Amino acid sequence: EDQVTQSPEALRLQEGESSSLNCSYTVSGLRGLFWYRQDPGKGPEFLFTLYSAGEEKEKERLKATLTKKESFLHITAPKPEDSATYLCAVQFNQAGTALIFGKGTTLSVSS
Amino acid sequence: DAGVTQSPTHLIKTRGQQVTLRCSPKSGHDTVSWYQQALGQGPQFIFQYYEEEERQRGNFPDRFSGHQFPNYSSELNVNALLLGDSALYLCASSFWHRLAHGYTFGSGTRLTVV
Repeated sequence: EDQVTQSPEALRLQEGESSSLNCSYTVSGLRGLFWYRQDPGKGPEFLFTLYSAGEEKEKERLKATLTKKESFLHITAPKPEDSATYLCAVQFNQAGTALIFGKGTTLSVSS
Repeated sequence: DAGVTQSPTHLIKTRGQQVTLRCSPKSGHDTVSWYQQALGQGPQFIFQYYEEEERQRGNFPDRFSGHQFPNYSSELNVNALLLGDSALYLCASSFWHRLAHGYTFGSGTRLTVV
């Protein structure tokens, strides 16, 4: 059973069409939940860290929220340059300081 | 301010050979972690180094080994390469005392085993 599950696997949006990406996790003892953006052939680029349920963080058109067992990455009025794979990762007590990643959501935004 | 740098960017090796990948952490960072990312998958944790010691290891065989140098740079060695070792290998750095705040990743080394 995967410890971190992201949905959908792929998402196609029109420019300006807002949507949300989901990350759910089964682990206990969460220390932090991380969102990264990854462009093809590149390493993940840090977006946000969330630590406790109810926490929200924003950056430009992106807003991340955290509940007890899932996180959402809301994308408002996306642009073509927002096209990328968005990765969610958790850090939890039993896994020490390692990041446990989901498989990612590949977002395509067309103009 | 240089971020995490990895070399080489691409590498092709034959099954059974050995390979060494290199990583220089972001300026000031003292902790280096290595991840393997297969095509279409999320990165998987291999191991983490701090103060030249392996501090934590993921579920990878002993064929995968590493080293950290006094200047905090690191190497990942893989022996007896298998076709399944083909992947993007990512290096991530951070401060040991701020590991809960996330990591900075490099662009990776694309390893192809033929």
